[in-house]
Amino acid sequence: DQQVKQNSPSLSVQEGRISILNCDYTNSMFDYFLWYKKYPAEGPTFLISISSIKDKNEDGRFTVFLNKSAKHLSLHIVPSQPGDSAVYFCASDNFGNEKLTFGTGTRLTIIP
Amino acid sequence: NAGVMQNPRHLVRRRGQEARLRCSPMKGHSHVYWYRQLPEEGLKFMVYLQKENIIDESGMPKERFSAEFPKEGPSILRIQQVVRGDSAAYFCASSNYRGRADTQYFGPGTRLTVL
Repeated sequence: DQQVKQNSPSLSVQEGRISILNCDYTNSMFDYFLWYKKYPAEGPTFLISISSIKDKNEDGRFTVFLNKSAKHLSLHIVPSQPGDSAVYFCASDNFGNEKLTFGTGTRLTIIP
Repeated sequence: NAGVMQNPRHLVRRRGQEARLRCSPMKGHSHVYWYRQLPEEGLKFMVYLQKENIIDESGMPKERFSAEFPKEGPSILRIQQVVRGDSAAYFCASSNYRGRADTQYFGPGTRLTVL
């Protein structure tokens, strides 16, 4: 049972444009959502998070949007840079639970 | 400050052998989490430990898998009598806060291959 889904296994975006990565979840108990970035041969690195009391959180070039009614979140990266090429995972938990549930990841490739 | 360290980075075992994966948390961190990533899947929670205690092992397979985090030394994930289906990347994460998922720092992982 895949409670967190990333339906796009890969995405290519031109440098300087906006990258939009999507994530859907099924468990209505999830109230905290995180995005991680992963380079080959490294562990995931925390990028940005959002709690269910918000619908938007911004940190520099990264913005996460949460649509609770649709059980959908998205990560916007603008402008996209070559160093953003990586696999991006969304993850969820019950706030304070710490037991993260990850999606399958989206491989983002930024084209120079 | 060194990050989370895992060794070995790559481990090859034949079916029926034992695999021992080590995780040294960041300095000052007393919470350790183990995750497994099977091919083409996301990371899946296995177990959460504090020093000398298993707090949550709800993601651990019922047989052959065990984990410990002793008072001194690294956390160990042990897989007995490995099978081909155990081939995966195993990540550990450490934290110095309980209840804060965004404070989990991940190690580079151990890639286990079972022949």
